[in-house]
Amino acid sequence: AQSVTQLDSHVSVSEGTPVLLRCNYSSSYSPSLFWYVQHPNKGLQLLLKYTSAATLVKGINGFEAEFKKSETSFHLTKPSAHMSDAAEYFCVVSLTTGTYKYIFGTGTRLKVLA
Amino acid sequence: DGGITQSPKYLFRKEGQNVTLSCEQNLNHDAMYWYRQDPGQGLRLIYYSQIVNDFQKGDIAEGYSVSREKKESFPLTVTSAQKNPTAFYLCASSNGQGNTEAFFGQGTRLTVV
Repeated sequence: AQSVTQLDSHVSVSEGTPVLLRCNYSSSYSPSLFWYVQHPNKGLQLLLKYTSAATLVKGINGFEAEFKKSETSFHLTKPSAHMSDAAEYFCVVSLTTGTYKYIFGTGTRLKVLA
Repeated sequence: DGGITQSPKYLFRKEGQNVTLSCEQNLNHDAMYWYRQDPGQGLRLIYYSQIVNDFQKGDIAEGYSVSREKKESFPLTVTSAQKNPTAFYLCASSNGQGNTEAFFGQGTRLTVV
């Protein structure tokens, strides 16, 4: 069965320092993986997606993620945090057997300190 | 602009009342989804539909109902049987094919008063 685990519920970084949000997945076959961002009281916006092409995926706003099959991980990184990055981030795996659904992690709230 | 529109943005319900949340998309997507979001619990799937006139229960369907009479519309009714309906509700759509992402509306915050 597909599942996704976000290893940190809260992450705090100083502005200008790197961001690392961790995600591990479980899948019996090659998954599709996504990272979404949600600002308060808003919908979710796609940051990036992995769909079995390049293992290093570049997204919007300077974010990127690397798919590591051996570690079953899909961690999200950004070299330098900006105040506007403060939000909640969700790692998502898609389920494609029979029905097409999305399985969400519980989210990581990113706080950026001035 | 293509996208998903949820209305209303805020909704207040008295106990014992049914309320209906609207979700409309103009992306020509086959699949639509309803999620409930509570603090610290991520998004939980309520119902989903892969094609018009067909829908399936998600993980927390009790106390909710849906219809899919048109491709672009997927309204969610929160019934009086839902014991704890106060939450943020998100509607999404996708083209229903492998490897594609879901697109989300801006959400409806429902509060029971």
